[in-house]
Amino acid sequence: ETGVTQTPRHLVMGMTNKKSLKCEQHLGHNAMYWYKQSAKKPLELMFVYNFKEQTENNSVPSRFSPECPNSSHLFLHLHTLQPEDSALYLCASSLAAGPVYFGPGTRLTVL
Amino acid sequence: SQQGEEDPQALSIQEGENATMNCSYKTSINNLQWYRQNSGRGLVHLILIRSNEREKHSGRLRVTLDTSKKSSSLLITASRAADTASYFCATDPRGSGTYKYIFGTGTRLKVLA
Repeated sequence: ETGVTQTPRHLVMGMTNKKSLKCEQHLGHNAMYWYKQSAKKPLELMFVYNFKEQTENNSVPSRFSPECPNSSHLFLHLHTLQPEDSALYLCASSLAAGPVYFGPGTRLTVL
Repeated sequence: SQQGEEDPQALSIQEGENATMNCSYKTSINNLQWYRQNSGRGLVHLILIRSNEREKHSGRLRVTLDTSKKSSSLLITASRAADTASYFCATDPRGSGTYKYIFGTGTRLKVLA
């Protein structure tokens, strides 16, 4: 238990669906992240928020839409995804440039 | 291009042996971190070493950093079956912007009982 929770843990969706991933941390961290992990690929940084302001968008397609209402919560809104978007989506947080704490991830399958 | 690349990609050893994994990176960094990931789960932070440090220990883990060679190594001593996991290095490139941690592809370690 790292202090970062993610829901749901598993998600199956069709290409026309809209769904959201949720992440929560109560560690008092200021930075929150979304990473994508696909098989045989390095972990890909998607978005970074610092004190709920987006500081990084790593050329992520607009079908992924992040939302950070406060420093403790982070969402990833999904719509019209493609099968190649199937992956493990990891949320993480950190205090300044310290260790990054990861959630357990959401295993997403797009049919 | 990859900022952090681990070597080897896979490693299989007997319980009790030592395991060494290496990480190379391309640009100057503020710090380097090592993580462990059990199959299909989130990453767990192991050690953070800053650019002005050369060696760090935590239990059975020893991390070294050579900024002149842009490389780091993770040594796990007296390995156990429970150490079976993937290990990743992550770098915080200097001047890349705030909190832009870049991960490598990882080393898959298998410890045989």
